[in-house]
Amino acid sequence: SQQGEEDPQALSIQEGENATMNCSYKTSINNLQWYRQNSGRGLVHLILIRSNEREKHSGRLRVTLDTSKKSSSLLITASRAADTASYFCATGPYNNNDMRFGAGTRLTVKP
Amino acid sequence: EAQVTQNPRYLITVTGKKLTVTCSQNMNHEYMSWYRQDPGLGLRQIYYSMNVEVTDKGDVPEGYKVSRKEKRNFPLILESPSPNQTSLYFCASRPQQGSTASYGYTFGSGTRLTVV
Repeated sequence: SQQGEEDPQALSIQEGENATMNCSYKTSINNLQWYRQNSGRGLVHLILIRSNEREKHSGRLRVTLDTSKKSSSLLITASRAADTASYFCATGPYNNNDMRFGAGTRLTVKP
Repeated sequence: EAQVTQNPRYLITVTGKKLTVTCSQNMNHEYMSWYRQDPGLGLRQIYYSMNVEVTDKGDVPEGYKVSRKEKRNFPLILESPSPNQTSLYFCASRPQQGSTASYGYTFGSGTRLTVV
């Protein structure tokens, strides 16, 4: 079963705009990670935020985590056409299980 | 170059014909995992391994086998493939939780399997 659920399922914006994707999860976590997947290719790890962190930055990426609401958001600022991809959140590892991924948000950035 | 290599990239096979998808990593990672990706369902974990000779079921293990005889290799075996196993498969590896390195997964390029 999936742990994280991304919202929205699909997002279309113009180049230069900001893109915000959300992830909700069900159980307590140690950390939450975001990945990017270009069409049909392997996922690429973007950023990890630990449960005791509230915000983290990496270049044009900003991730927030609200453990009280069991949610996280990924903000991509000044988006580019090359940011077109699917974005997944992942939580875990858990005691007797490994990391679980959500179904992803499909982001399209129009030039 | 640090990477996860899985082969083949594409495979078309017939129902019931045993097949193996190989996966190898060169980063000395403890954890390795297999996921399948289907439209609308995201990534679902098939099996994972915490170290040599230690494997455990993920969320969708039925119809699959794995082995971890060496740290670098984690093959996925379909003893009797069926059409519902048509999917995009990913192998991934990561360091052990608690290590100083980030323990995000490094993914292979994927194997697109079609069972007819």
